[in-house]
Amino acid sequence: RKEVEQDPGPFNVPEGATVAFNCTYSNSASQSFFWYRQDCRKEPKLLMSVYSSGNEDGRFTAQLNRASQYISLLIRDSKLSDSATYLCVVTLSNTGKLIFGQGTTLQVKP
Amino acid sequence: DVKVTQSSRYLVKRTGEKVFLECVQDMDHENMFWYRQDPGLGLRLIYFSYDVKMKEKGDIPEGYSVSREKKERFSLILESASTNQTSMYLCASSPSGYGYTFGSGTRLTVV
Repeated sequence: RKEVEQDPGPFNVPEGATVAFNCTYSNSASQSFFWYRQDCRKEPKLLMSVYSSGNEDGRFTAQLNRASQYISLLIRDSKLSDSATYLCVVTLSNTGKLIFGQGTTLQVKP
Repeated sequence: DVKVTQSSRYLVKRTGEKVFLECVQDMDHENMFWYRQDPGLGLRLIYFSYDVKMKEKGDIPEGYSVSREKKERFSLILESASTNQTSMYLCASSPSGYGYTFGSGTRLTVV
């Protein structure tokens, strides 16, 4: 079983749609959680950290459920520029080593 | 903003060559990492380092070595390049417990 699992997609949605990505992690000792965004042929960039209480950044909302070992990312009012691969990431300790999911590809269409 | 700089964006090397990939960060981060990214396999950790002269094997260290003589620089070495090492190589740095900043990547082709 992979340590971090995501549905690879692709998710094809129209502009303005709301889309949700899910991610599960296998190690209950996971401590920190992140969503990264990766554009085609570019490096991953930190989109947002994920906190137990849930957090929002504009059109993006991240949720963490430690009991179910589940992380989600909700994107409201999708824009064409949101098209990218979204990587779910966890850390096991404060050493900073991150474990990446394979990513979920989003394509927003006009 | 933290900057992580990888020395080459594209590189073509011959089988059997010794290849050096350089990575430099400018924010005094303790942790540095080398990943490779391949279609369908995602990001896989090759080596990482928590401090100068320290190194730890990641998930796929075979065929690679690393060097960290200075805090800001983390080098990945392919001792004898092979075609299955053709990949996108990504360097990252972070302070402990926080997310990474990645370099822009080196796309290595071994022919």
